[in-house]
Amino acid sequence: ELKVEQNPLFLSMQEGKNYTIYCNYSTTSDRLYWYRQDPGKSLESLFVLLSNGAVKQEGRLMASLDTKARLSTLHITAAVHDLSATYFCAVEGGATNKLIFGTGTLLAVQP
Amino acid sequence: DAEITQSPRHKITETGRQVTLACHQTWNHNNMFWYRQDLGHGLRLIHYSYGVHDTNKGEVSDGYSVSRSNTEDLPLTLESAASSQTSVYFCASGRGQGGEKLFFGSGTQLSVL
Repeated sequence: ELKVEQNPLFLSMQEGKNYTIYCNYSTTSDRLYWYRQDPGKSLESLFVLLSNGAVKQEGRLMASLDTKARLSTLHITAAVHDLSATYFCAVEGGATNKLIFGTGTLLAVQP
Repeated sequence: DAEITQSPRHKITETGRQVTLACHQTWNHNNMFWYRQDLGHGLRLIHYSYGVHDTNKGEVSDGYSVSRSNTEDLPLTLESAASSQTSVYFCASGRGQGGEKLFFGSGTQLSVL
């Protein structure tokens, strides 16, 4: 059974600092997704990573995938308050589009 | 513009009642999914469908059912609502191609008293 773990569960950062969110998963997959959720809102797609070594960047966020280690990272560079949200990773496991989600990381960026 | 809509946005019901949550998408997507979101658990898959008349159980399907009579709709039914089913429910759809993102609805907040 596919398990997806994220850490940390909660991250309080100061503006301007860098940090990394980690996503580990338990079975072989080369399709990993990152989503963002603002409080009380739906999920917004950030990145789709489809192969070993894939790296995607958008603004201050960069995601990477290591399928051999079954690990994805979401790196935040010079955080700003607007990045405060919950970030989820999800792995496509066992069937097309069937996403198994991690528990989420609540990111709070303090001025 | 194509979209995915859920209704109602908020629902309060009593234990033992049957409840149906609606999900409607206008993308003509083959694949549709229902998730529930609970603190500390992230999103957990309840049921999913790969096309008309196809339904499959997810991780937490007990107490829930779905039916797919057309491409656009995948209603989620709670046969006899329980307090443990108080949650936020999200519907999602996808084209059917692996490696493509899912599109999510705005969610339904369900409270079972």
